[in-house]
Amino acid sequence: GQNIDQPTEMTATEGAIVQINCTYQTSGFNGLFWYQQHAGEAPTFLSYNVLDGLEEKGRFSSFLSRSKGYSYLLLKELQMKDSASYLCAVKDSNYQLIWGAGTKLIIKP
Amino acid sequence: SQTIHQWPATLVQPVGSPLSLECTVEGTSNPNLYWYRQAAGRGLQLLFYSVGIGQISSEVPQNLSASRPQDRQFILSSKKLLLSDSGFYLCAWGGVVSGANVLTFGAGSRLTVL
Repeated sequence: GQNIDQPTEMTATEGAIVQINCTYQTSGFNGLFWYQQHAGEAPTFLSYNVLDGLEEKGRFSSFLSRSKGYSYLLLKELQMKDSASYLCAVKDSNYQLIWGAGTKLIIKP
Repeated sequence: SQTIHQWPATLVQPVGSPLSLECTVEGTSNPNLYWYRQAAGRGLQLLFYSVGIGQISSEVPQNLSASRPQDRQFILSSKKLLLSDSGFYLCAWGGVVSGANVLTFGAGSRLTVL
């Protein structure tokens, strides 16, 4: 079967750095996505990786290793508004999105 | 620019009652449209997707149905709701953002079946 694993919950301090990991086992690979979802709201697109390496976008970066079936989302200079769930999703060989259950990130002052 | 509207935002329905959730997209033509359900502690579950008017693909057999009567309108329905239908329902359209085919979601509809 297809599977996306990410930690259920993480806690970090305002101003610090946090890394949210995602591992996947899917039938084929056509890209990995990270979405941010604030409580009670819809997910919003953060980043996309299809080739190995690091994609940087402001305070957020996303890394991919296809050989290891592994990605991480790195958040720097954490702000209270970064408290949210972060969803990892992989597009499989049929271009269907397989979603992880999300990582709830709690930011403490 | 493209926008997506979804309503109602919240509803509480008795078991056995019908359901209709509506989604419309503006600023694009012939979009790919999707209905997802999100249950607590689980990943987003694709329910239906549509690549054009009257074209509906069902991913999960259940008592829900979808229709696309117009190019930018997508409706999720049920004739008789079950308790297990409670959840957060999200409509989305697929478009290109920063070179990637990305889903843009509506605000969501939280359904509670009692």
